[in-house]
Amino acid sequence: EDKVVQSPLSLVVHEGDTVTLNCSYEVTNFRSLLWYKQEKKAPTFLFMLTSSGIEKKSGRLSSILDKKELFSILNITATQTGDSAIYLCAVETGGGGADGLTFGKGTHLIIQP
Amino acid sequence: GAGVSQTPSNKVTEKGKYVELRCDPISGHTALYWYRQSLGQGPEFLIYFQGTGAADDSGLPNDRFFAVRPEGSVSTLKIQRTERGDSAVYLCASSVGRDNEQFFGPGTRLTVL
Repeated sequence: EDKVVQSPLSLVVHEGDTVTLNCSYEVTNFRSLLWYKQEKKAPTFLFMLTSSGIEKKSGRLSSILDKKELFSILNITATQTGDSAIYLCAVETGGGGADGLTFGKGTHLIIQP
Repeated sequence: GAGVSQTPSNKVTEKGKYVELRCDPISGHTALYWYRQSLGQGPEFLIYFQGTGAADDSGLPNDRFFAVRPEGSVSTLKIQRTERGDSAVYLCASSVGRDNEQFFGPGTRLTVL
């Protein structure tokens, strides 16, 4: 059974701190790994990673994938209160597995002013 | 609107009743997905449509759940004889195609009393 594990499950930091969120996976027929930010209901897309070692960056957020060790990290630098959300990691598989994404439980990030 | 929309935003029903949840995907997106998210969990895949056909319904928990997409655009998730355990947020997502990032709607919060 495909599995995605995120850590920590929750994290409280102060504004301005840098955070690193972790996602490890055990799946068959890996295609891609995706990060989403969920504030109220709708997860919003952040990154899609398919290749090892290539960092994707968007403003203060960045992410990288290690396909050998089967994990990804999401970094947020100079955190702001608006970064408070649940960050979801999901893996897409192909070739016989379910066609939907397999999600982790998420990391609940709280940024205190 | 440009995004995925879902109606209703909230639905409260009694155990044993029938409910329908609607999803309007982004125009032109051929792939449509339904997920269910329980409190404290990541979204769980239910069913995937490519065009009008259900390409993968392996995530539907039992035969009380059914979904249609008759014209390849709007989709309806139908739940018969609802149970308290069906209470969750039901999320819909669409994408340009099978291997592209999925864009999520705001979800329908279903409460079964």
